[in-house]
Amino acid sequence: DVKVTQSSRYLVKRTGEKVFLECVQDMDHENMFWYRQDPGLGLRLIYFSYDVKMKEKGDIPEGYSVSREKKERFSLILESASTNQTSMYLCASSTQGMGLNTEAFFGQGTRLTVV
Amino acid sequence: DQQVKQNSPSLSVQEGRISILNCDYTNSMFDYFLWYKKYPAEGPTFLISISSIKDKNEDGRFTVFLNKSAKHLSLHIVPSQPGDSAVYFCAASGNFNKFYFGSGTKLNVKP
Repeated sequence: DVKVTQSSRYLVKRTGEKVFLECVQDMDHENMFWYRQDPGLGLRLIYFSYDVKMKEKGDIPEGYSVSREKKERFSLILESASTNQTSMYLCASSTQGMGLNTEAFFGQGTRLTVV
Repeated sequence: DQQVKQNSPSLSVQEGRISILNCDYTNSMFDYFLWYKKYPAEGPTFLISISSIKDKNEDGRFTVFLNKSAKHLSLHIVPSQPGDSAVYFCAASGNFNKFYFGSGTKLNVKP
């Protein structure tokens, strides 16, 4: 079974703190994603990585950065946490390949509250 | 602007009846479409998918229909069961392997 593991289920951080969300996958997937889920807005893509050290901005990258130093690990960084970043954060991974259709596999999510 | 849209935030159906969830997309480059199911405080789990070369895919009680000309897909659940109560997300992807999600439809199946 594919496993995507996020380091924390729940986090409470203070405004202005630097926050690290960690994600690890065990299926040797090339692609990794960070989404946030908010009521009425669905899942919005923050950042996408298609290889080690490679990244692309998603639809809402402002206030976030990412790091992918190893293939299995993708970190989301909130440079200076703000209350509007309170959300459910979801990491996902998928394999890659032209003509190959595959699903994304998700972690269990991290509920982040910024106070 | 959202490229994948689910216009019904919620749907309530009686156990045993059919549930129909709808999804529209705007990007004609999408060639693969997926449905995910999500329970509270858990990550989404993959349910069923369809490639753009097909117009129907079936897996047990779940059937996905794709109408490319209308840029519309739907998920049919027959018969609906109380355990199907969850939020359902429609997703689409294209050549660049990124997945775009809709806003979700909360399905409530009443016993």
